[in-house]
Amino acid sequence: DIQMTQSPSSLSASVGDRVTITCRASQGISNYLAWFQQKPGRAPKSLIYAASSLQSGVPSKFSGSGSGTDFTLTISSLQPEDFAAYYCQQYDSYPFTFGGGTKVEIK
Amino acid sequence: EVQLLESGGGLVQPGGSLRLSCAASGFTFSSHAMTWVRQAPGKGLEWVSTISGTGGKTYYADSVKGRFAISRDNSKNTLYLQMNSLRVEDTAIYYCAKADSSGYYGAFDIWGQGTMVTVSS
Repeated sequence: DIQMTQSPSSLSASVGDRVTITCRASQGISNYLAWFQQKPGRAPKSLIYAASSLQSGVPSKFSGSGSGTDFTLTISSLQPEDFAAYYCQQYDSYPFTFGGGTKVEIK
Repeated sequence: EVQLLESGGGLVQPGGSLRLSCAASGFTFSSHAMTWVRQAPGKGLEWVSTISGTGGKTYYADSVKGRFAISRDNSKNTLYLQMNSLRVEDTAIYYCAKADSSGYYGAFDIWGQGTMVTVSS
């Protein structure tokens, strides 16, 4: 199975900050990487697919990059509605696997 | 509007069975692979099972293989998850997710709101 390792597991940031979350795959997955946002008590929301493509309706303050084993999710200017948990997921091969999540909290 | 609505969750004893449903609307259901993902209380996301658009291909996590069965009825725009021999560790919110139009089964674009399954005596 491909292991997905996210870092950090949590971070504190202020409104307006630029935030970067890292996801590392235990083996190469090309660009078969997605990012999701999950707010407390809510279902996950798809943000990015194919490592860097924004899902329809997702604001451009979110961006993704990377290929192979190392990927990043960046939020350019953190807003109150962005405080949530973020997960990466590989879909290169079965079983599809998720990172452990990064909780973005208000400083 | 694309929507997925899960139902069928509840409290069941260890060893029991439950069938989850996911009603889809707003898109051509048969053209998209569908997936079940679960989340144990306070934990992260875990992929459970995926089925192709026609239903001819199915895939399972090792943790549920032989106990769970994914299926779909394209005439009813509904996805199912039959869960047998349930264990305490199956306790979780179960989400259904739709694959996007890329052809990659694991690229999800829409998620349902989830249904809670509690396995306890």
